[in-house]
Amino acid sequence: DAKTTQPTSMDCAEGRAANLPCNHSTISGNEYVYWYRQIHSQGPQYIIHGLKNNETNEMASLIITEDRKSSTLILPHATLRDTAVYYCIVRGGADYKLSFGAGTTVTVRA
Amino acid sequence: GAGVSQTPSNKVTEKGKYVELRCDPISGHTALYWYRQSLGQGPEFLIYFQGTGAADDSGLPNDRFFAVRPEGSVSTLKIQRTERGDSAVYLCASSAGTGNEQFFGPGTRLTVL
Repeated sequence: DAKTTQPTSMDCAEGRAANLPCNHSTISGNEYVYWYRQIHSQGPQYIIHGLKNNETNEMASLIITEDRKSSTLILPHATLRDTAVYYCIVRGGADYKLSFGAGTTVTVRA
Repeated sequence: GAGVSQTPSNKVTEKGKYVELRCDPISGHTALYWYRQSLGQGPEFLIYFQGTGAADDSGLPNDRFFAVRPEGSVSTLKIQRTERGDSAVYLCASSAGTGNEQFFGPGTRLTVL
């Protein structure tokens, strides 16, 4: 059973912020929200993860709603190299598996 | 530093043949994972190693698939009597420990004719 729901695809303008939504309404209290992305012909790449607080790193920001039922990944200044499939994954703290869904295909256009 | 490497990058074989796919994890990473990705889909878990032992092989589709990690570093995924349905990209990942961030290799694209 899918734990997350993401839009199939979205387009973004180069230089603008890209906001990628994810619904995870059945998330448990000890489960984290992880984001990975996969550029064409490469392996998935870790972006960021969070439990309940918002998180920011050099790649992106993660905003998690107070009820933790949804989150948004923000790429602050999208570039053409950010074109990829973005996966939102819910994972328990001790879980070793990553359960990937279909992800969101993000296309950044000049 | 060096990331996860996988060899070969591409493998074309005939139905019924045996293949081996190799994964070199990041040095010092104790956990190693294999995933399989079919066209247009996200990666699917196959097997997880903690050290030398397979802690969870529940994702292996059948007994034609087997993986080893004899010295707790390099791992080999072995597929016997390959079928056309085995065609996919096989991804390997490693992490410093269970629950840590997983680092993926570039994958091996297997094509069974």
